[in-house]
Amino acid sequence: GNSVTQMEGPVTLSEEAFLTINCTYTATGYPSLFWYVQYPGEGLQLLLKATKADDKGSNKGFEATYRKETTSFHLEKGSVQVSDSAVYFCALNRYSGAGSYQLTFGKGTKLSVIP
Amino acid sequence: KAGVTQTPRYLIKTRGQQVTLSCSPISGHRSVSWYQQTPGQGLQFLFEYFSETQRNKGNFPGRFSGRQFSNSRSEMNVSTLELGDSALYLCASSLDGGVSQLNTQYFGPGTRLTVL
Repeated sequence: GNSVTQMEGPVTLSEEAFLTINCTYTATGYPSLFWYVQYPGEGLQLLLKATKADDKGSNKGFEATYRKETTSFHLEKGSVQVSDSAVYFCALNRYSGAGSYQLTFGKGTKLSVIP
Repeated sequence: KAGVTQTPRYLIKTRGQQVTLSCSPISGHRSVSWYQQTPGQGLQFLFEYFSETQRNKGNFPGRFSGRQFSNSRSEMNVSTLELGDSALYLCASSLDGGVSQLNTQYFGPGTRLTVL
């Protein structure tokens, strides 16, 4: 079946440190891949996406590349800020038939950035 | 353009009651999906509606139901509430559920349901 595995948290980094959150997936076909971010007490915000192999999604300094050969979509940022503290979810879009897609999520990685 | 809105933001109910949650999608979006988020199970898919039809359903009991109106607004209903139904319920909308590249889902702020 389809599944997403992302690194367990929590992750604690100092401000301006380099961030990597690993994400690998198992899927049939060629799903679209996403990173969502959830700030405390809020819903999910789309951070970035990639719809085909070798696509690079980027937003707000975050990047992730769709690697079909390693079935990975790792999230990176060169210099994190305190405001990046949140929970990050990797997800894939699975076709379920009848024109319907549903997201399958990883368990989330909590990031805390300290000044 | 306004984002996905959900009402109410918070609800407290007791076991055995029923509850209705509402979701208004982004203007022009015709697909609405619902997800349940709990600390133990994470994010789980409930169901998806498109043009007033349920096209897909996750592995939840029949106590969970939903509907979509002609203006694409959607409601979900949970009957005979159980303690385990306490969760954040998230609604997401997308332009067109049938085309992968158009199926980016945008989420609302969620409704926090507490069952006592």
